[in-house]
Amino acid sequence: DAKTTQPNSMESNEEEPVHLPCNHSTISGTDYIHWYRQLPSQGPEYVIHGLTSNVNNRMASLAIAEDRKSSTLILHRATLRDAAVYYCILSDIIQGAQKLVFGQGTRLTINP
Amino acid sequence: SQTIHQWPATLVQPVGSPLSLECTVEGTSNPNLYWYRQAAGRGLQLLFYSVGIGQISSEVPQNLSASRPQDRQFILSSKKLLLSDSGFYLCASTLWKGGFAGELFFGEGSRLTVL
Repeated sequence: DAKTTQPNSMESNEEEPVHLPCNHSTISGTDYIHWYRQLPSQGPEYVIHGLTSNVNNRMASLAIAEDRKSSTLILHRATLRDAAVYYCILSDIIQGAQKLVFGQGTRLTINP
Repeated sequence: SQTIHQWPATLVQPVGSPLSLECTVEGTSNPNLYWYRQAAGRGLQLLFYSVGIGQISSEVPQNLSASRPQDRQFILSSKKLLLSDSGFYLCASTLWKGGFAGELFFGEGSRLTVL
């Protein structure tokens, strides 16, 4: 399985930007980079995904390094509701199924 | 978008008892289905995935099993529960579309406590 490495925890202040890093040095050419987040006692929620180019949506931006060995999830203006565990995942296609193997993620704390 | 229904939401079972958790999907057909487990304070562990009816792949050897009797139904079972089976069980669904399989949708989860 493709692996990712994320810091265990990060802390930021409300209304400030947050940059969540992810390393994936063993990424293959066809692996998509996915980000999910999980609030307490809930299932994970999709945030964003990308392959090579930077991506923007209403929730966040995804900056992908040119060599694709790392990426950064950017929350442009954090709110208290953004406090969650953020997972960076590489999709792995095996026998016709997309496998998303979640790591430990980064626990993001937002200070008021 | 897809909607994932899971039940029961909460379950307390004695060690050695059987288990059946059910997951149904609405809003799509022929999805890939997944069972994940999350132990307290831990990350998500992929248990099983399925690309079609009757097709189950197991990720981790254990005393759990999965079945997919219908296209949009996925069942997690055990004949005899262990204390270590306690956790938050999540069913997920996604569509396989060539190079990109799409967003993974999760259910609300089933919280199992084995005593």
